[in-house]
Amino acid sequence: GAGVSQSPRYKVAKRGQDVALRCDPISGHVSLFWYQQALGQGPEFLTYFQNEAQLDKSGLPSDRFFAERPEGSVSTLKIQRTQQEDSAVYLCASSLAFNYGYTFGSGTRLTVV
Amino acid sequence: DQQVKQNSPSLSVQEGRISILNCDYTNSMFDYFLWYKKYPAEGPTFLISISSIKDKNEDGRFTVFLNKSAKHLSLHIVPSQPGDSAVYFCAASAQGSGGGADGLTFGKGTHLIIQP
Repeated sequence: GAGVSQSPRYKVAKRGQDVALRCDPISGHVSLFWYQQALGQGPEFLTYFQNEAQLDKSGLPSDRFFAERPEGSVSTLKIQRTQQEDSAVYLCASSLAFNYGYTFGSGTRLTVV
Repeated sequence: DQQVKQNSPSLSVQEGRISILNCDYTNSMFDYFLWYKKYPAEGPTFLISISSIKDKNEDGRFTVFLNKSAKHLSLHIVPSQPGDSAVYFCAASAQGSGGGADGLTFGKGTHLIIQP
């Protein structure tokens, strides 16, 4: 498709379980961002890739969060030993370059029970 | 401490009238501002942006005004239409001269409801 695709759309995880969230950016988009949106809040920056290089991971809340983009296209956000406070919508966005015409995906809603 | 603030969680406007959504920021390094619109179960969609070298940017029914001295920006929608009902997020970035692409800092959003 033409947009940013995220999977799964919904994920329910038991506390302590590891999860992996996938993002397929728009083909050719160099920049890729991950954001976390808690209920009633705006999206909060997690991490940024330029091609395969992770240039900024300052927003990752703990070392349980890990993101990769090994071939500069698809990206995976992994959360280890999930906790209830990890429950949120995880948004992926991509853009062609350093402009800010991001295109966001529809997000993955993670619920940790 | 929130660097981008949208103090109105919701706003109700009659169809055909003007909607004005407000946003304040505290970080003087911010030099690029954007508005996003979000429908339920969808990702945010870019609406309009403004650079700090301007004080106004217009695109059809949407106009963004920037008051740098007050660290305030607003989004005007006129005339308001039922399809404008959504959550609107203000976002800011500090592009600076260093290159690279810092993440955007978002406000908490304002839920705009257009009444028929």
